Amino acid sequence: GAVVSQHPSWVICKSGTSVKIECRSLDFQATTMFWYRQFPKQSLMLMATSNEGSKATYEQGVEKDKFLINHASLTLSTLTVTSAHPEDSSFYICSARVKTGTGDGNTIYFGEGSWLTVV
Amino acid sequence: GEDVEQSLFLSVREGDSSVINCTYTDSSSTYLYWYKQEPGAGLQLLTYIFSNMDMKQDQRLTVLLNKKDKHLSLRIADTQTGDSAIYFCAETNPWAGSYQLTFGKGTKLSVIP
Repeated sequence: GAVVSQHPSWVICKSGTSVKIECRSLDFQATTMFWYRQFPKQSLMLMATSNEGSKATYEQGVEKDKFLINHASLTLSTLTVTSAHPEDSSFYICSARVKTGTGDGNTIYFGEGSWLTVV
Repeated sequence: GEDVEQSLFLSVREGDSSVINCTYTDSSSTYLYWYKQEPGAGLQLLTYIFSNMDMKQDQRLTVLLNKKDKHLSLRIADTQTGDSAIYFCAETNPWAGSYQLTFGKGTKLSVIP
């Protein structure tokens, strides 16, 4: 099946610094990528939707200036947590929708997730 | 808004069949997915079904869809200890203009050796 790669898998950063998480679709083009956050023992919470070449659409309650999302190409989206604080520590997961018109169109694949710990 | 409900826990003996149930409220849901999440890992797509299908089988996995009752189930035959994980049901309606998924809270499957 299609592969979505997230990097880094885990990261520890100091409070006040910024950290970038990459999400790549390795063998398909993704016109839409989604960023989720998951707290322990809970379901996924959608943070934002990003379409290639346009600004991300953020869910209510998600600070767009804090969680910067860039979707520069059909295979790469990045999430930057700016001025990170301990409460930002979480599991962040991206997903990518296969471009419509391809054989596997409309399917959504997830990355392996990135553990962020802010100390 | 849309809602997806799942039971939170399921415990089965190794070798038995597991059936994980899911109900949803959005009658316009078009794609319904089952994802598996192992501890500390991302989500793995297991299978998906279109709303014009009643059943889909893929090796040990069988998905049943009752569109009238808005009920989706995932049956795992010959459940193994490696199947222990959290299983998420999700739905989307791309014709609404987005592929955002609405997830259930997940069902934790525990397989007893």
